[in-house]
Amino acid sequence: GGIITQTPKFLIGQEGQKLTLKCQQNFNHDTMYWYRQDSGKGLRLIYYSITENDLQKGDLSEGYDASREKKSSFSLTVTSAQKNEMAVFLCASSIWGRDTQYFGPGTRLLVL
Amino acid sequence: GDSVTQTEGQVALSEEDFLTIHCNYSASGYPALFWYVQYPGEGPQFLFRASRDKEKGSSRGFEATYNKEATSFHLQKASVQESDSAVYYCALSDFGGSGNKLIFGTGTLLSVKP
Repeated sequence: GGIITQTPKFLIGQEGQKLTLKCQQNFNHDTMYWYRQDSGKGLRLIYYSITENDLQKGDLSEGYDASREKKSSFSLTVTSAQKNEMAVFLCASSIWGRDTQYFGPGTRLLVL
Repeated sequence: GDSVTQTEGQVALSEEDFLTIHCNYSASGYPALFWYVQYPGEGPQFLFRASRDKEKGSSRGFEATYNKEATSFHLQKASVQESDSAVYYCALSDFGGSGNKLIFGTGTLLSVKP
């Protein structure tokens, strides 16, 4: 088995601030994902990385940057936080070429 | 593009009731279908998947059968418990383009009264 760790668990930011969320996995999975979860809207893909050194945009990439530092870690940056924004950001990973994804516990963002 | 529709936003049941959560999909190819469950304060957990027509997926007493003709993958459980209270997500795999992506429905909140 393995585990996905997301830091921080809670993040409170100011409007216009640049915020970075981190994800680490010890599954030794090749592919990692970042999703945004809003109430009533399900999960929407922001960025994913098929293997180390790869980066692919999802459907919701505008306003975000991502970085795959090494096989086990994948970071997401909110480039300019929007006032009153409230969402959960979920990191996931999977074996390359396999479709089952495993999720971390999430980072809860609130922008004042 | 591909999509998943969950018609029930919320379902309220009592313990030992029969559960059905409806999931329909629209896809250009032949996707695998998934159910995930999310408990408060946690990330979604993989429940099970099915990848062929008429295949049944199951786990922890939950089950769903891939129905290609009806484009459905409805989640059922014969007798729910209070501990089953959670949000349930239906999803499909999208292998279009590069990599493998999941497309999720909007989720169904299940509340079970003791």
